[in-house]
Amino acid sequence: RKEVEQDPGPFNVPEGATVAFNCTYSNSASQSFFWYRQDCRKEPKLLMSVYSSGNEDGRFTAQLNRASQYISLLIRDSKLSDSATYLCVTQGRGATNKLIFGTGTLLAVQP
Amino acid sequence: DVKVTQSSRYLVKRTGEKVFLECVQDMDHENMFWYRQDPGLGLRLIYFSYDVKMKEKGDIPEGYSVSREKKERFSLILESASTNQTSMYLCASRSPDFRGPAGYTFGSGTRLTVV
Repeated sequence: RKEVEQDPGPFNVPEGATVAFNCTYSNSASQSFFWYRQDCRKEPKLLMSVYSSGNEDGRFTAQLNRASQYISLLIRDSKLSDSATYLCVTQGRGATNKLIFGTGTLLAVQP
Repeated sequence: DVKVTQSSRYLVKRTGEKVFLECVQDMDHENMFWYRQDPGLGLRLIYFSYDVKMKEKGDIPEGYSVSREKKERFSLILESASTNQTSMYLCASRSPDFRGPAGYTFGSGTRLTVV
């Protein structure tokens, strides 16, 4: 079983739609959580951190449920430019703080 | 902004060749990482280094080695390239600020094809 699991998609949604991605992680010792965005043939870039109380950044809302080991990302009012792969990422405790990546969820926003 | 530079964007090598992938960062970061990314498998950690001349195996180190002679440079070495090492290779550098967010910055990647 992968340590971080995501639905690979693709999620095909019209512009303006609201879309939600989910992610589960198996390591209960994970300390930090993030969503990365990766455009086709480009490197991953940090989209936002995920905090226990939930957090919002413009049209993007991230939620964390530690009891269920579940992370979500909600995108409101989707834009064409949101089309990308969204990677769910966890990070452990310790000096090296390695990132563990999910395989990503592909979002395609249609005009 | 931190810049992480990978020396080649695309590379084609023959089976059995020794291959060097170079990564340079300009922000004096202690931690550097090499990942490979394959469809359906995501990013997997090959090796990492938390200081000069220090290295640790990641999840899939077989067939690879690394070199960190200077703080800014972290090299990935394929001693004898094989076709199953065809992949996208991503280098990352990390801020030492443990209190902050992830602090990782990725290079733009090297797409290696072994024929």
